[in-house]
Amino acid sequence: EVQLVESGGGLVQPGRSLRLSCVASGFTFDDYAMHWVRQAPGKGLEWVSGISWNSGSIDYADSVKGRFTISRDNAKNSLYLQMNSLRAEDTALYYCGRDNHGMDVWGQGTTVTVSS
Amino acid sequence: QPELTQPPSASASLGASVTLTCTLSSGYSNYKVDWYQQRPGKGPRFVMRVGTGGIVGSKGDGIPDRFSVLGSGLNRYLTIKNIQEEDESDYYCGADHGSGSNFVWVFGGGTKLTVL
Repeated sequence: EVQLVESGGGLVQPGRSLRLSCVASGFTFDDYAMHWVRQAPGKGLEWVSGISWNSGSIDYADSVKGRFTISRDNAKNSLYLQMNSLRAEDTALYYCGRDNHGMDVWGQGTTVTVSS
Repeated sequence: QPELTQPPSASASLGASVTLTCTLSSGYSNYKVDWYQQRPGKGPRFVMRVGTGGIVGSKGDGIPDRFSVLGSGLNRYLTIKNIQEEDESDYYCGADHGSGSNFVWVFGGGTKLTVL
């Protein structure tokens, strides 16, 4: 079964850091670019960051540029999002998604809450 | 980068048809758009990609034949025929603005479809 499972979310104070993980199974992970997409409570989808299959191309939304770092470990079938200097507005459900001419596989999401 | 505009809400009676619209900002009439379904409390689900020539590639896993797409000018349409209760969802359109070595994705604000 093709599957993505996110983890690492939680409650964190403003200014602190958190690292999200996404483990892939059921497909050849290094055949695909991957993305992080978030959804604030009651709001729509917001693309956060994307990474090519070999980490050669990486991009970020302006809202997180300079604070978040995306990475992947193809040997571990894993995608990561290092989030530093967290703000209240980063509070959201964070999804990882597989890029296959559209994000055709999504995880169930992991919740990040930034609050003092 | 393009902006994607969606009406915030739509409704249709059980068994009827509905067409959802995603409008690209000026200058992006050649862009393909992806449609995603998000049922209450669930993660997004890829429906299909659409360009001006219609569907691009394949539908997402388990998407019934009742779902179809069209593209014209700046508009990308998702039509659902014989609406079922299970179709009540938020529907988002998204577009890959990246080229070659970079990633930039954008999403519309979403349309909440209510089945009457």
